[in-house]
Amino acid sequence: AQSVTQLDSHVSVSEGTPVLLRCNYSSSYSPSLFWYVQHPNKGLQLLLKYTSAATLVKGINGFEAEFKKSETSFHLTKPSAHMSDAAEYFCVVRGVRDDKIIFGKGTRLHILP
Amino acid sequence: DVKVTQSSRYLVKRTGEKVFLECVQDMDHENMFWYRQDPGLGLRLIYFSYDVKMKEKGDIPEGYSVSREKKERFSLILESASTNQTSMYLCASHNRDRGQYQPQHFGDGTRLSIL
Repeated sequence: AQSVTQLDSHVSVSEGTPVLLRCNYSSSYSPSLFWYVQHPNKGLQLLLKYTSAATLVKGINGFEAEFKKSETSFHLTKPSAHMSDAAEYFCVVRGVRDDKIIFGKGTRLHILP
Repeated sequence: DVKVTQSSRYLVKRTGEKVFLECVQDMDHENMFWYRQDPGLGLRLIYFSYDVKMKEKGDIPEGYSVSREKKERFSLILESASTNQTSMYLCASHNRDRGQYQPQHFGDGTRLSIL
């Protein structure tokens, strides 16, 4: 069974509007969670990470994510989308099953002018 | 800044050839990984290594091998390339987990085509 679920394979928003990319995980204890971004023909770049400190995590480029244990969610948000945010985003979990690094299938974010 | 360098951005090889993909990191990381990325399948782990001369199979090791003779270098080898190995290959590394899981750092990928 998949331990990380990115609920949307594609998300489209207009430039200047909020972004919400959803991620759920399954675990019986608090894992470490990461969000990565991948621009076309590039590797993955770390946006932010949660490692059991503050539940609201701020990352680069105005992104943030909130860890909600009761909902087993770690959704990524940004108040105002920019054209340069068009990319694929991956939610990643560690500590769910052994020490494996588990990737979500990715969400492609499209920004409409 | 951590730098993970993959030797080729684009590579075209023929079926049956032996193919080497090289990855070098400059931050003295113990852990290194090779993934392949395919549309609709996300990232899949091929092999990883926790130290020099150590290697562990990932989820899809068939048709691949790896070599880690030096700490900074992790090579992926396609013993006899086949068309179903056409893919984007990503190398990653991270520091040893010391009480906290460390994030991975990725190279820019090698887009490999097998004809």
